[in-house]
Amino acid sequence: KAGVTQTPRYLIKTRGQQVTLSCSPISGHRSVSWYQQTPGQGLQFLFEYFSETQRNKGNFPGRFSGRQFSNSRSEMNVSTLELGDSALYLCASRENPRNTEAFFGQGTRLTVV
Amino acid sequence: AQTVTQSQPEMSVQEAETVTLSCTYDTSENNYYLFWYKQPPSRQMILVIRQEAYKQQNATENRFSVNFQKAAKSFSLKISDSQLGDTAMYFCAFMKLSKEVQFYFGTGTSLTVIP
Repeated sequence: KAGVTQTPRYLIKTRGQQVTLSCSPISGHRSVSWYQQTPGQGLQFLFEYFSETQRNKGNFPGRFSGRQFSNSRSEMNVSTLELGDSALYLCASRENPRNTEAFFGQGTRLTVV
Repeated sequence: AQTVTQSQPEMSVQEAETVTLSCTYDTSENNYYLFWYKQPPSRQMILVIRQEAYKQQNATENRFSVNFQKAAKSFSLKISDSQLGDTAMYFCAFMKLSKEVQFYFGTGTSLTVIP
């Protein structure tokens, strides 16, 4: 069974640009959550999607958005990039939102210059 | 609100020795899970051990065990017989089981195993 796949692995963008990150969950998993990881801050919850609907959202500005497709693949978008958006973005895959077992991808390292 | 605190940003241990990583959390929930995740340089978060709050018995997975003190809201991880492959960031995480099920993570402890 393939694991959680995040693409791209690395990304360099300029301030003001926008970026789209992708996460393909484990086959059969319909819940995808996104986290931002920065040094000293740990992992901060961005949002969770289940069956193409956003179920929960963390405390991030509206520049951060996401969506989920019918095949459970999820994308997150960050518009008007700021230097502070530089981080590792991780997604977690679960069978459903009530399941406590989560599997993480290897993340996308975003650098904003 | 839920908070998770890891007060040791960095730790080191000699190979084959034992090390304990600390974690405290704050919650008003009664039904929750606690986790320790390991993040090696490959960046992939790997589940080390999981504890259900309603279980008094401390969870154990091979060389990894926890000391769960519910009243004190403390959840420490003990690694016995440390191996070089244990070098990684370790994150303590809390998951409440209410309508919104999500992780709350600590800031991590960077563990280095010294040969």
